[in-house]
Amino acid sequence: DQQVKQNSPSLSVQEGRISILNCDYTNSMFDYFLWYKKYPAEGPTFLISISSIKDKNEDGRFTVFLNKSAKHLSLHIVPSQPGDSAVYFCAASAQGGSEKLVFGKGMKLTVNP
Amino acid sequence: DAMVIQNPRYQVTQFGKPVTLSCSQTLNHNVMYWYQQKSSQAPKLLFHYYDKDFNNEADTPDNFQSRRPNTSFCFLDIRSPGLGDAAMYLCATSRDQGQETQYFGPGTRLLVL
Repeated sequence: DQQVKQNSPSLSVQEGRISILNCDYTNSMFDYFLWYKKYPAEGPTFLISISSIKDKNEDGRFTVFLNKSAKHLSLHIVPSQPGDSAVYFCAASAQGGSEKLVFGKGMKLTVNP
Repeated sequence: DAMVIQNPRYQVTQFGKPVTLSCSQTLNHNVMYWYQQKSSQAPKLLFHYYDKDFNNEADTPDNFQSRRPNTSFCFLDIRSPGLGDAAMYLCATSRDQGQETQYFGPGTRLLVL
């Protein structure tokens, strides 16, 4: 039973445009959410996180939005750059992050020059 | 640079032949994790160590064991690999539990013949 779902396996956008990556979760106990980015032949690297007490967190070009009622979060990248091309994983945890991370399957983002 | 190192990057073993995967870290982190990621699937936590305390996930098969002889090293032992154990195995570390960033190694891809 997938508790964290990334329903679109891939996304292709033009350089300079906005990339929107979506993630849905089913476990209402999740209260801490993260995005990881993974380049080929490397391990995932932490990108940005958000606690359930917030609905938005911003770090430079990256913004994560959380809609608790819809059990949905999204990652916005503006403007998108070719170096953002990677696989992006959504992850969630309960108990303020003290429970294990549950990952989604990942979404491949391609940013075309 | 401080990092998480996994050796080997690729491992081929025979059906039923024990295999050991290695992870080391120079971050001096307290927590070390082992994840299994099958093709097009989400990374799945197998177990983790908080210092010397071993924490096994309930659904991790008995075939998978782990050792952490010291802070820097953690090993994943697969006692009798089956074809279904072919996957990418990711090691990660974090300074502590809770809302702490996990730092991932590049992974070891295991092939079972």
